[in-house]
Amino acid sequence: QQQVKQSPQSLIVQKGGISIINCAYENTAFDYFPWYQQFPGKGPALLIAIRPDVSEKKEGRFTISFNKSAKQFSLHIMDSQPGDSATYFCAASIMNNNDMRFGAGTRLTVKP
Amino acid sequence: DADVTQTPRNRITKTGKRIMLECSQTKGHDRMYWYRQDPGLGLRLIYYSFDVKDINKGEISDGYSVSRQAQAKFSLSLESAIPNQTALYFCATSDLRQSSYNEQFFGPGTRLTVL
Repeated sequence: QQQVKQSPQSLIVQKGGISIINCAYENTAFDYFPWYQQFPGKGPALLIAIRPDVSEKKEGRFTISFNKSAKQFSLHIMDSQPGDSATYFCAASIMNNNDMRFGAGTRLTVKP
Repeated sequence: DADVTQTPRNRITKTGKRIMLECSQTKGHDRMYWYRQDPGLGLRLIYYSFDVKDINKGEISDGYSVSRQAQAKFSLSLESAIPNQTALYFCATSDLRQSSYNEQFFGPGTRLTVL
């Protein structure tokens, strides 16, 4: 069974809009929650990550919101741009543990 | 990431054949990983290695084996390929000495098709 559940599977947003991707996890031992961005033909690349001791982390137009009690976290992309069109994966792991569990991915399309 | 290279980039093989996928890195990282990516399933860890003498099974190791020939090289073998091993395979590296988040750096992937 998938330990990290991601939704939606695909998302279409207009340029300038807000893209929101949600993830939920089950293992309360997870303490590291990264988001990876993958462009076609490329490997995933780390976009932003959060530890559960904070509820929000922002880097430019990208924000992670984290709700420890609900075991949920989400990625918000503000002012979405066509160049943001990619597949996004959430993930979770125990720090220093190499067994990282990924969500199924969300294909984001930002229309100009 | 050009620092992590995978060969071949594409491979078509037949059921029952042995195949090896290779990964090399110039990042100087100590940890290396093999994942497979399937539509709707995300990435799943096959094997990982802390160093040349340390190999560990991941979530889905059955049907696969690995070899860490050197710190910079990590290969994945399918001893007898079957069609449900058709997938996109990624190698990744990390090093806790360089990143407290254990950030993983992925190669460009190998698309494997087993007929």
